[in-house]
Amino acid sequence: GEDVEQSLFLSVREGDSSVINCTYTDSSSTYLYWYKQEPGAGLQLLTYIFSNMDMKQDQRLTVLLNKKDKHLSLRIADTQTGDSAIYFCALDRGSTLGRLYFGRGTQLTVWP
Amino acid sequence: DVKVTQSSRYLVKRTGEKVFLECVQDMDHENMFWYRQDPGLGLRLIYFSYDVKMKEKGDIPEGYSVSREKKERFSLILESASTNQTSMYLCASSSGQGGQTQYFGPGTRLLVL
Repeated sequence: GEDVEQSLFLSVREGDSSVINCTYTDSSSTYLYWYKQEPGAGLQLLTYIFSNMDMKQDQRLTVLLNKKDKHLSLRIADTQTGDSAIYFCALDRGSTLGRLYFGRGTQLTVWP
Repeated sequence: DVKVTQSSRYLVKRTGEKVFLECVQDMDHENMFWYRQDPGLGLRLIYFSYDVKMKEKGDIPEGYSVSREKKERFSLILESASTNQTSMYLCASSSGQGGQTQYFGPGTRLLVL
C-alpha cells in the first residue's frame, strides 16, 4: 500500500465545512504539511503542523494530528468555490536531505 | 517571498529530442527537487539535489538526468524524449534548515509527440 494515503475526491456545498483526511504509515516525521494546487498552477503551502502538536488553527483552516492512529486532517470552515483545488498532505519522514513524501492529492469540488 | 521560476510553462517536443527544463530559485536554498505530476498518480520525485553538484535519485529517475552547477539553478534533462514522458513537471526548493517546507514553481507542461 501507499505510505501516505488520501481519498481522491471530495465534494461539498458552498458554506459547509470540508474535511480532507490523510493517513500514513511512518511515524518519524517532524513536520506534516498541507499544500493546495489550483488548476494549472504549482503547489502552494497552506499550513503545517509540528509533530508534537495535536491541533493548529489558522483562520478558516484547522489541522488535526492523531499520532496514535497516524491520521492527519485538514478542516476548511465555510468552504467557498475558490477553495476548489487539489489538496496534498506531505510528511518529511525524518529526512535529513529535505525530501517530502506526498499523498496522491484530494480533489475538492465546491458546489454553489 | 520565495520565488521559484521555471523556464517554460508549455513545451512541445518530438520523440527522440533532447529536452532541458530549467528551474531557478532566488532564496539561496540548499535543496532543489524535480517532480512529475500525472492524473491519479500525484507527485512523483524524479531527482533532487542537496548541494551544488550533488544529486540523489528519487522514485522514478529512469530516462532523466539532472545538473546543478550553481546553487540557484537545477536543470532536468530528458536525454531522448519519449511519449510516456508527456507530463506536468514541477520544480521545488527548500532551505534545508529547520522545517523542510518546499516552495514550488508554476510547472512546465510537456507534450512529447
